[in-house]
Amino acid sequence: EPEVTQTPSHQVTQMGQEVILRCVPISNHLYFYWYRQILGQKVEFLVSFYNNEISEKSEIFDDQFSVERPDGSNFTLKIRSTKLEDSAMYFCASSERLRGSFYNEQFFGPGTRLTVL
Amino acid sequence: ILNVEQSPQSLHVQEGDSTNFTCSFPSSNFYALHWYRWETAKSPEALFVMTLNGDEKKKGRISATLNTKEGYSYLYIKGSQPEDSATYLCAFNNAGNMLTFGGGTRLMVKP
Repeated sequence: EPEVTQTPSHQVTQMGQEVILRCVPISNHLYFYWYRQILGQKVEFLVSFYNNEISEKSEIFDDQFSVERPDGSNFTLKIRSTKLEDSAMYFCASSERLRGSFYNEQFFGPGTRLTVL
Repeated sequence: ILNVEQSPQSLHVQEGDSTNFTCSFPSSNFYALHWYRWETAKSPEALFVMTLNGDEKKKGRISATLNTKEGYSYLYIKGSQPEDSATYLCAFNNAGNMLTFGGGTRLMVKP
């Protein structure tokens, strides 16, 4: 069964460093997402991406964050200068484009745990 | 800010018990309500996507109902098994594709 994969599973970095989190969405999916969960808090939406551009983003997704689909398979989240409060589990998700549907079922990867020291 | 709440936060049941938990969400601008099952170190697994008021969906021993007018959904597990132990997340979908998640219900089933 096709699945969303993410690498690495755990990333430790120093405050101020740049990190890139990688995701390989399900191959025929056209919508891509990043969510995060800070320990003890709810899963929060960061950004959605369709047709090579951001379609929605939350207040959390400020200028420190960027997303890219550098080739036909990868979808990346970059954090330019990490802060302590960026420590969280980051989830990638993808969905098909369903014609005539108001919603798209989203399939999640297992997450990357980012620890900023 | 959309408020999606789940209760209880955690639940301990014995194997064989049936159980249920609640997700409450805004009743306006409703598009869909998603349920996910999430085991530690694994991907959250999609259980149901519910769109119509009065919807009832079933997958094996797990079922869910939806009331969009009053803004709640119930998830039921019949005859809980240890392998049902997981966190159950609901997520609300209004316009667009953004999901707003509840805090989850952590279910532990004791053999």
